[in-house]
Amino acid sequence: DAGITQSPRHKVTETGTPVTLRCHQTENHRYMYWYRQDPGHGLRLIHYSYGVKDTDKGEVSDGYSVSRSKTEDFLLTLESATSSQTSVYFCAISEKGVSYGYTFGSGTRLTVV
Amino acid sequence: TQLLEQSPQFLSIQEGENLTVYCNSSSVFSSLQWYRQEPGEGPVLLVTVVTGGEVKKLKRLTFQFGDARKDSSLHITAAQPGDTGLYLCAGAYDMRFGAGTRLTVKP
Repeated sequence: DAGITQSPRHKVTETGTPVTLRCHQTENHRYMYWYRQDPGHGLRLIHYSYGVKDTDKGEVSDGYSVSRSKTEDFLLTLESATSSQTSVYFCAISEKGVSYGYTFGSGTRLTVV
Repeated sequence: TQLLEQSPQFLSIQEGENLTVYCNSSSVFSSLQWYRQEPGEGPVLLVTVVTGGEVKKLKRLTFQFGDARKDSSLHITAAQPGDTGLYLCAGAYDMRFGAGTRLTVKP
């Protein structure tokens, strides 16, 4: 296995509540990414990290924040969940950057009711 | 912004048939990747193409990068049910993915 795990795998939450998704890697890769996948839109980048405490916004970052205090953990927080954030969230890691490809986790299915 | 268009969106074929799916853009890519995703799992990297005109083979899968590095194709020979999945292309420059081609291979 690639050594990347996401938790939880499934979550149902109420509108307006904060939610944190966790991505944990054992590969010691520098780069970590959060994507969301929705029908008809494919995978869209939310935030990414290029090192501890170094993060940047992606295409669909509004309503999301991230933190990376350790190499192995990358947290995605929905500050106040909305129904439009119902999606499947994937974490990915890369040793040398996007040109070399990603290894993805198995995803977190989040439903906001 | 480099938008990636994949075609066809859906493809359903019988086992043993050949098929080609496409990934096109109006912009030039420094490199392009293909992934396959099965239900309930994350995408898995199949190949990275870098050089214009490059052809890479992975068993029954043949990947081609266009000479101008604006397009790519994936050809599968003698498709098998195990090839069923969502095929995604991704441009390395801006970390964007196409919407994918959903392939179903019927036994």
